[in-house]
Amino acid sequence: AQSVTQLGSHVSVSEGALVLLRCNYSSSVPPYLFWYVQYPNQGLQLLLKYTSAATLVKGINGFEAEFKKSETSFHLTKPSAHMSDAAEYFCAVSEGGGNKLTFGTGTQLKVEL
Amino acid sequence: GAVVSQHPSRVICKSGTSVKIECRSLDFQATTMFWYRQFPKQSLMLMATSNEGSKATYEQGVEKDKFLINHASLTLSTLTVTSAHPEDSSFYICSAGGRHSYEQYFGPGTRLTVT
Repeated sequence: AQSVTQLGSHVSVSEGALVLLRCNYSSSVPPYLFWYVQYPNQGLQLLLKYTSAATLVKGINGFEAEFKKSETSFHLTKPSAHMSDAAEYFCAVSEGGGNKLTFGTGTQLKVEL
Repeated sequence: GAVVSQHPSRVICKSGTSVKIECRSLDFQATTMFWYRQFPKQSLMLMATSNEGSKATYEQGVEKDKFLINHASLTLSTLTVTSAHPEDSSFYICSAGGRHSYEQYFGPGTRLTVT
């Protein structure tokens, strides 16, 4: 069975500061991992994905994530937060690249002036 | 490319009535579509997976007779909430499967309020 844990339901950073959103996964087979962003009353937009190639994955809007098998982690980072980054972020896992996605509980990112 | 639309974006209905939500893949064909439910401040919960031309596969705990899913074409899937009750009020999101099995493209969601 696959699962995802997102530590910290709310994260607050200052504009220009580093963004770090944590995600740990559990999977019985090699995982495919995803980060999605959701703005209020909207669907999900894919930020980036890990599909068993390079462990450091770069996505849209300056975000990146690193797959660390030894730590079963896939944390999302951005060097400098922007006000427009304020949103809900979801980490998701797909076992072996199958079509069933399991989502974490989400992290609400707040960016302050 | 890979645009998914949902209609309506918001709907308010009275308790006991049925509501149909449409999910369309606008610029690609999707043999598989997914329906999720999202409660306020919570994550997405997969309700069912639908494959074009066949019956949907429902997740454990989801009532198939209450949440009717039809995937009649490669670009359209519908979710009908039958005999809606206030506890069915939620944000419903669909997604369409892409070329790779792990790819899903999400619609903008439908806010259902049952009064």
